[in-house]
Amino acid sequence: GENVEQHPSTLSVQEGDSAVIKCTYSDSASNYFPWYKQELGKRPQLIIDIRSNVGEKKDQRIAVTLNKTAKHFSLHITETQPEDSAVYFCAASDSSGSARQLTFGSGTQLTVLP
Amino acid sequence: NAGVTQTPKFQVLKTGQSMTLQCAQDMNHEYMSWYRQDPGMGLRLIHYSVGAGITDQGEVPNGYNVSRSTTEDFPLRLLSAAPSQTSVYFCASSYDGYNEQFFGPGTRLTVL
Repeated sequence: GENVEQHPSTLSVQEGDSAVIKCTYSDSASNYFPWYKQELGKRPQLIIDIRSNVGEKKDQRIAVTLNKTAKHFSLHITETQPEDSAVYFCAASDSSGSARQLTFGSGTQLTVLP
Repeated sequence: NAGVTQTPKFQVLKTGQSMTLQCAQDMNHEYMSWYRQDPGMGLRLIHYSVGAGITDQGEVPNGYNVSRSTTEDFPLRLLSAAPSQTSVYFCASSYDGYNEQFFGPGTRLTVL
């Protein structure tokens, strides 16, 4: 099955700086890569996703890049703000297969220091 | 729309007891799933369903049963609770399983 590794497990940045979280996956058939944000005590919520037919996707201060050859993808947050503090999870799945299983990374606790 | 709802929010069980975690969605989604979240381990898939009458196992299915008699409901049953099942449980739904999953608010379960 798929295995997703996520680094770092914790990340502290100064407000206004950029944050980068990296994930690697094992199954070359995976082609859907979402990122979820989970605030303390809340449910995970999708912030951005990318499919394997594109290499980069942006949404305001958030961007995701994908390198299918190396089997890794990254989340980039620019101009960080205190409200960006949360746990971020990457995930991967084979969205064209029959299994439809989403495999998550172990999470990154991002703290934005004022 | 209420989205994805879960009950109860909190539950304490004794070892060996059984219970059912309820999950419902009002978005007419075909795909529903159950995850457990443990510290440092992310979200792990327990069971999922691609439509009424169809269920399948995820990464960590042992000790849990599911059924899907309607599109709206996807209950998770613990037949004989064990301390290792202490966790936060999230239900999620998706239009078809190939797109965004919408999570419920979670159930925090403690097994003594």
